[in-house]
Amino acid sequence: GDSVTQMEGPVTLSEEAFLTINCTYTATGYPSLFWYVQYPGEGLQLLLKATKADDKGSNKGFEATYRKETTSFHLEKGSVQVSDSAVYFCALILTGGGNKLTFGTGTQLKVEL
Amino acid sequence: NAGVMQNPRHLVRRRGQEARLRCSPMKGHSHVYWYRQLPEEGLKFMVYLQKENIIDESGMPKERFSAEFPKEGPSILRIQQVVRGDSAAYFCASSLTKNTEAFFGQGTRLTVV
Repeated sequence: GDSVTQMEGPVTLSEEAFLTINCTYTATGYPSLFWYVQYPGEGLQLLLKATKADDKGSNKGFEATYRKETTSFHLEKGSVQVSDSAVYFCALILTGGGNKLTFGTGTQLKVEL
Repeated sequence: NAGVMQNPRHLVRRRGQEARLRCSPMKGHSHVYWYRQLPEEGLKFMVYLQKENIIDESGMPKERFSAEFPKEGPSILRIQQVVRGDSAAYFCASSLTKNTEAFFGQGTRLTVV
């Protein structure tokens, strides 16, 4: 079945460090890919998305490129801030799947001064 | 425009009791999705409803769980005769149409004691 695998956390970084959170997927067809962020005590918010191969999604300094050949959608940020501390979820939707998301297990990011 | 509202935020039930989780979608949204997040796992799709109709319930456990989205009022996820394994965070999301972005609520954390 369709699935998303992302690196386990927690990931602890110093402020201004480079961030990579790995995400790979298994899916039939050509899914759309998403990164969601969950700040403490809040619901999930869409961070960025890409709908086809080689698309790059970007938002708030975060970016991820849809790599069909490696079935990956790694999240990156050049310089993290303390305010980026949150749980990050990679997810996919199959073509025609509406809003039926398949999520990874989430990666907790802690950024320290 | 208020976001997706879920209540209660925290719910404690004894084994065998019933749990009712409520979700008020964003204004104008008629599509509602319920997801469950078990400890140490990602969010798993449960059910998709569109005003008074269940569109996809492929992720709902066969017994004890039901969902509704009446013409008036919030969507309700009902769990009868709760067991410890039902302890989880339950998230609701809503969207304007099937293929537009879904917005998530803050979740209800159910604890069965």
